[in-house]
Amino acid sequence: AQKITQTQPGMFVQEKEAVTLDCTYDTSDQSYGLFWYKQPSSGEMIFLIYQGSYDEQNATEGRYSLNFQKARKSANLVISASQLGDSAMYFCAMRVFFGNEKLTFGTGTRLTIIP
Amino acid sequence: EPEVTQTPSHQVTQMGQEVILRCVPISNHLYFYWYRQILGQKVEFLVSFYNNEISEKSEIFDDQFSVERPDGSNFTLKIRSTKLEDSAMYFCASSPGTTTNYGYTFGSGTRLTVV
Repeated sequence: AQKITQTQPGMFVQEKEAVTLDCTYDTSDQSYGLFWYKQPSSGEMIFLIYQGSYDEQNATEGRYSLNFQKARKSANLVISASQLGDSAMYFCAMRVFFGNEKLTFGTGTRLTIIP
Repeated sequence: EPEVTQTPSHQVTQMGQEVILRCVPISNHLYFYWYRQILGQKVEFLVSFYNNEISEKSEIFDDQFSVERPDGSNFTLKIRSTKLEDSAMYFCASSPGTTTNYGYTFGSGTRLTVV
């Protein structure tokens, strides 16, 4: 079974600062993918970034980057130059390939950007 | 960009009534999913569907729930005899396959309130 742990229930960050949201995972499978989703107050799930277990480079998407440390089983999300619109819930999730199709989510981190 | 469409966006129902939540997945996707998020909690997997049958279901997905793809485009979740604890946001998702992250897309959700 897979498990995702997000230890920061809430974070407050000054606008324009960088922020790191922590995520650790547990799986015995070798082939898996790690996802980050943003959930604003409107409720939809917005895909941010993905990292495959065999990807050698850390994933980047605009202001988002994923700090993937496979040996430590961590996949932290880094948001550079935070903006007021970044205030939302952030969920880390994983998916094991080859037969296990579901996403397993962490409990989320509520990020609040302070002007 | 292709979207997963869910209707209705909000539904209020009386305890004991049956509800049907509707989803239109992305047209060339093969795998379909339902997830549930009780307010303020993490997103939980309910069921996955492939080739016109359930491929995996969680322990939450008991006899009260059923899924169907009645016409090749819609994907529905039926909840029989709703209970107060069924109040949650229900997300539909679809993906083109099990070995890639690309295109794993969520709908904007249906907020179900059981009174």
